[in-house]
Order: sequence, then C-alpha cells, then structure tokens
Amino acid sequence: GEDVEQSLFLSVREGDSSVINCTYTDSSSTYLYWYKQEPGAGLQLLTYIFSNMDMKQDQRLTVLLNKKDKHLSLRIADTQTGDSAIYFCAESMSSASKIIFGSGTRLSIRP
Amino acid sequence: DTAVSQTPKYLVTQMGNDKSIKCEQNLGHDTMYWYKQDSKKFLKIMFSYNNKELIINETVPNRFSPKSPDKAHLNLHINSLELGDSAVYFCASSPTASHLNYGYTFGSGTRLTVV
Repeated sequence: GEDVEQSLFLSVREGDSSVINCTYTDSSSTYLYWYKQEPGAGLQLLTYIFSNMDMKQDQRLTVLLNKKDKHLSLRIADTQTGDSAIYFCAESMSSASKIIFGSGTRLSIRP
Repeated sequence: DTAVSQTPKYLVTQMGNDKSIKCEQNLGHDTMYWYKQDSKKFLKIMFSYNNKELIINETVPNRFSPKSPDKAHLNLHINSLELGDSAVYFCASSPTASHLNYGYTFGSGTRLTVV
C-alpha cells in the first residue's frame, strides 16, 4: 500500500545540520521528493531523487536514499532561521500518476 | 507572472452554502490536481485531470465536483458545505501525468473556513 511516514517535529540550533527522516512502504516508487512549506504558502519543490540513485547533493542539501530499507533523508547543512518550515517527504510511481505525501516535519531553529 | 494561481486565497462561508475555487496555470502543463490539507497539515489528493479528462477521483463526497474547461484551468465546486470541509485546498500542475520527475508546481492555496 501507499504510506509515507515522517516524525512531526525537529528542533536544531542555528548553524548545526538538520536531518529529516522519512520511510515509505511502496518499493515500486519511481521518484522521491522533498518539498518545503513556509507559513501561509504553497509547497515548493526542494529536490528530488530517482529511485536508482542513492545520493544527491545540491548546495546545502543532501538527500540519501536507502532503497533496501525504504528510507529517505534530507540533510540541511548550516541551518539558518530561513529554513524554518514544514518539510514534506513524498513519493510517486509512474503507474499511479500521483504523488503521495508524508505528514510533514516541522523544523524549528533555536538561536 | 504566477505559474499556478488560485482564487480566492481565503473563503469564509456558512454551512450549507455552495462555493467555487478557481485554478489556472500558465506553464503549459497537461495535468492538474486538487489536494486537501487538513489542520494537521496532512495532504491528500482529491482529483487529477489530464488534458481536461478526469484520471484520478479519490474517495471524495459527491458534493465536490471538479471542472476543467481547458487544460490550463481546473476549478473546484463544493455543494452544501459542511464544517469538515474546512481546510486549505491546493491546486497543482505537472507537465504530464505519468512522468513526475519534476514533481508538481503548487498554487499558494485557498483557506476555506465553514462556520
């Protein structure tokens, strides 16, 4: 079945790295995504990874995919106050024509 | 120059009323979606249209009726509004339905409050 799970909250100190974790159940996932939602705004695609990759890096963002364990993580280096938001993990399958979202992880930054 | 635009941004209405939310995309995408985000931020797909044709209809009450006059527009009409319909409704689009490598482009949402 389709299910994407994330922890609800994460608090980190400014300047530290944030790691947001996600697990999914469907092994036929084609693409996995990380979206960011700031208060009162829509979701913004941060990055995505194809299921045959195990890592993708884009500036401060590193995505790791462990397909065997169906585990996806997003690491944000040097976390800043502007990174405060809800981060959604999501998956899609080409056969399903839709994206399934996790419940979102609210990232808060401590000074 | 907004890519996916929804109107209105806020909608407050009484139970039993009928209301519509409009969505337009200027990206030339073939596929459009409606998602509902509840108070706990959980996002659930409601409908998807590909080139004006309905391709996904997830267990949504008949009171919700999407309409796509052309591939750049997907409107959502809701009859007999109930308290439980209060949520944020997001419109989104993607280049195609089957190759979702770039994910969706989302609108900024319509916050519906039923009183």
